[in-house]
Amino acid sequence: AQSVTQLGSHVSVSEGALVLLRCNYSSSVPPYLFWYVQYPNQGLQLLLKYTSAATLVKGINGFEAEFKKSETSFHLTKPSAHMSDAAEYFCAVSDPPGTYKYIFGTGTRLKVLA
Amino acid sequence: NAGVTQTPKFQVLKTGQSMTLQCAQDMNHNSMYWYRQDPGMGLRLIYYSASEGTTDKGEVPNGYNVSRLNKREFSLRLESAAPSQTSVYFCAERGSGGASETQYFGPGTRLLVL
Repeated sequence: AQSVTQLGSHVSVSEGALVLLRCNYSSSVPPYLFWYVQYPNQGLQLLLKYTSAATLVKGINGFEAEFKKSETSFHLTKPSAHMSDAAEYFCAVSDPPGTYKYIFGTGTRLKVLA
Repeated sequence: NAGVTQTPKFQVLKTGQSMTLQCAQDMNHNSMYWYRQDPGMGLRLIYYSASEGTTDKGEVPNGYNVSRLNKREFSLRLESAAPSQTSVYFCAERGSGGASETQYFGPGTRLLVL
């Protein structure tokens, strides 16, 4: 069965530092991949997605992610963290691609230090 | 979270009480979902509806029932609430695929069962 692994349930970075949140999936067939962000007491909001087009995907708020088939990874990055980036981030896959079934990772809470 | 509304925002129940969580979307999409979110466990699918009149069980359906009243509304019912159902519940609907592939989430309902 498809699974999604997010390494690190909590990540802390200094303001202005690189943000790297890790996501690995298990499917042998590239699925659709998503990153969502959740601010306190809110629902999930789409940051970016990979749907078999460009492997480097740019999203909102300066985030981007690169699909690497050889590593079955879809890590989320941002060159310079901002205080407003503090939130919980979820990686998800749609497997098979384009179907109803989304599998979510357990989330990574990002803390940004002043 | 534009387009998906949930009521109530917060509810406290006693063990054994029943309640219905309401969800409505105005994006005219077919697929709707109910998830629960618990700390450290990500989002887990309770039920799914591919279209009006159809529903399917997800990963954790026990203790819940759903009703897809029409294309716009998808409700989740707890017939006899248990403390294990204390959680945050999210309704979502899915875009129509391709470039629109993603799920759109409501703001959530926080449920406490005493």
